[in-house]
Amino acid sequence: DAKTTQPNSMESNEEEPVHLPCNHSTISGTDYIHWYRQLPSQGPEYVIHGLTSNVNNRMASLAIAEDRKSSTLILHRATLRDAAVYYCIPTSGGSNYKLTFGKGTLLTVNP
Amino acid sequence: GAVVSQHPSRVICKSGTSVKIECRSLDFQATTMFWYRQFPKKSLMLMATSNEGSKATYEQGVEKDKFLINHASLTLSTLTVTSAHPEDSSFYICSARDWGLASGANVLTFGAGSRLTVL
Repeated sequence: DAKTTQPNSMESNEEEPVHLPCNHSTISGTDYIHWYRQLPSQGPEYVIHGLTSNVNNRMASLAIAEDRKSSTLILHRATLRDAAVYYCIPTSGGSNYKLTFGKGTLLTVNP
Repeated sequence: GAVVSQHPSRVICKSGTSVKIECRSLDFQATTMFWYRQFPKKSLMLMATSNEGSKATYEQGVEKDKFLINHASLTLSTLTVTSAHPEDSSFYICSARDWGLASGANVLTFGAGSRLTVL
């Protein structure tokens, strides 16, 4: 599995954008980059995923570096409900896959 | 989107007893489900991959006789913690691949988790 490096914690103010970085320099050429988040006392929740191109969905945007060794999850306007641990996980697109969680980034959103 | 339901959400049991946790995929079939455990302030640790109709694949260091996994149907996987002890107290979470979000990637939908407390 590709190793990831994320900040232990980040802080943001409500309604401001948040950029959550992730380093995955050993990512395989066929691995997708997944982002999940986990709110307190809940199971993880899918946020977004991408392969090479930047991606947008209703929750967030994902910016992927051209060399794919890093990516950034962008929350355009943080809300208090976005306070969670965010995990960046490179994952194989093949049938023999599993999601391995690292330590993630604890995002605190201030009102 | 796809929903994965876990039951019970909380369970307290006495040391030495067994506890079963159910994981159901609602409105979709899940040939593969994954079981995780999470200790307080720690990340999720994959315990095993549950395959419908066959034996589960356990991660290194996970006792298969202690954590029995059964995936008898395409919508139900169960995890039984046998002869539970206080050190088994943890947050157990299951997940299944969300084929609706696949687009070539393996996106998982997670249950809400089951908190086990062994007295």
